[in-house]
Amino acid sequence: GAGVSQSPRYKVTKRGQDVALRCDPISGHVSLYWYRQALGQGPEFLTYFNYEAQQDKSGLPNDRFSAERPEGSISTLTIQRTEQRDSAMYRCASSLAARLAGGLDTGELFFGEGSRLTVL
Amino acid sequence: QKEVEQNSGPLSVPEGAIASLNCTYSDRGSQSFFWYRQYSGKSPELIMFIYSNGDKEDGRFTAQLNKASQYVSLLIRDSQPSDSATYLCAVNSDAGNNRKLIWGLGTSLAVNP
Repeated sequence: GAGVSQSPRYKVTKRGQDVALRCDPISGHVSLYWYRQALGQGPEFLTYFNYEAQQDKSGLPNDRFSAERPEGSISTLTIQRTEQRDSAMYRCASSLAARLAGGLDTGELFFGEGSRLTVL
Repeated sequence: QKEVEQNSGPLSVPEGAIASLNCTYSDRGSQSFFWYRQYSGKSPELIMFIYSNGDKEDGRFTAQLNKASQYVSLLIRDSQPSDSATYLCAVNSDAGNNRKLIWGLGTSLAVNP
């Protein structure tokens, strides 16, 4: 697609429910990142993929959080047994891998509009 | 704990003035530095990146990097009301990956007509 697409844009759920957030990156982008952004804060790294391989999940807060990108395109971030502290904007970003970006690698991340999660 | 610090502001400047946004970082090994702009309710978008010490100019924007002082700044010349936004400083946290970033809290800029 033309840009990074995330769904749902808004999700309200009750504590204890599972949620799945979807990200459709820019076509051809190798790398996909998940960030979380609380109100008035900068984004916080969660995890990232190159193609279908999860390269780094060191930012996932605990084992209730997981992510997958089975075919190297669309990714799903799943939060099990949600808690109120999970409420935040979850942002997906995609990027060309550095080695594919050519001689001038801007390191640019292209962000989606985010999925705002509210846990009641 | 690797950190990126910014003055949260708000920074208020009159239209046409120079806006100066500052950022310090804790990890001496950081190699890539980014300024993203985020309008209220929108996603961050890249404004400038800088990898080498010194100044880098792009139109009305100038990024300045001083690795010895662990300091990076963004100057916006001839500020316009449309520049009013939150400016996020981001620094790579992984030497092998310039997209795995640590972000500051952002500085809110208001340009008054």
